[in-house]
Amino acid sequence: DTGVSQDPRHKITKRGQNVTFRCDPISEHNRLYWYRQTLGQGPEFLTYFQNEAQLEKSRLLSDRFSAERPKGSFSTLEIQRTEQGDSAMYLCASSSLADYTGELFFGEGSRLTVL
Amino acid sequence: QKEVEQDPGPLSVPEGAIVSLNCTYSNSAFQYFMWYRQYSRKGPELLMYTYSSGNKEDGRFTAQVDKSSKYISLFIRDSQPSDSATYLCAMSFRNAGNMLTFGGGTRLMVKP
Repeated sequence: DTGVSQDPRHKITKRGQNVTFRCDPISEHNRLYWYRQTLGQGPEFLTYFQNEAQLEKSRLLSDRFSAERPKGSFSTLEIQRTEQGDSAMYLCASSSLADYTGELFFGEGSRLTVL
Repeated sequence: QKEVEQDPGPLSVPEGAIVSLNCTYSNSAFQYFMWYRQYSRKGPELLMYTYSSGNKEDGRFTAQVDKSSKYISLFIRDSQPSDSATYLCAMSFRNAGNMLTFGGGTRLMVKP
């Protein structure tokens, strides 16, 4: 399977704990995105990388959230001191630099439940 | 007010019906318009893309953009049970690196 893969698919944690999600994009894609989706809502942009550079970060993203893409391949999204409001599906997507169509290839998401 | 508004549904139609899904937006700087389909417990997948006002057809799907009214639509002809999913409109600014702003999604159910 050469699609976008995310791990873990589901994480249950207690309030105050740290969690980390990993995303492996399609191998030839330069751009990688993180979105958050809550039940009944559309995906909400969090941050975006072009190769290893983080080019954009949503103002909605608190300081408890950090994302990295150290070698321009896989990416991690860490949430520190989780809160119940962080419960959501975290979607990773990738696209090619040459693609102007707006097509993002999404993974199946990592669902976070904060108790 | 959200930048992109979409009726959440659910919208329930019989098989074979014509479905109309709509979004309105407030920012006239949006240049690219897309429709994504999302099945339950899956990530969204691109259905249609357009950047100009007017209609674009692909099989049973037609995307319509009216920039003057800030209104986009997706029409599905001869709807099938397999079309049952959540439909998300999305849009982006020029040179925005494919950063998309999504609507809230409309849940569609096509009954056999």
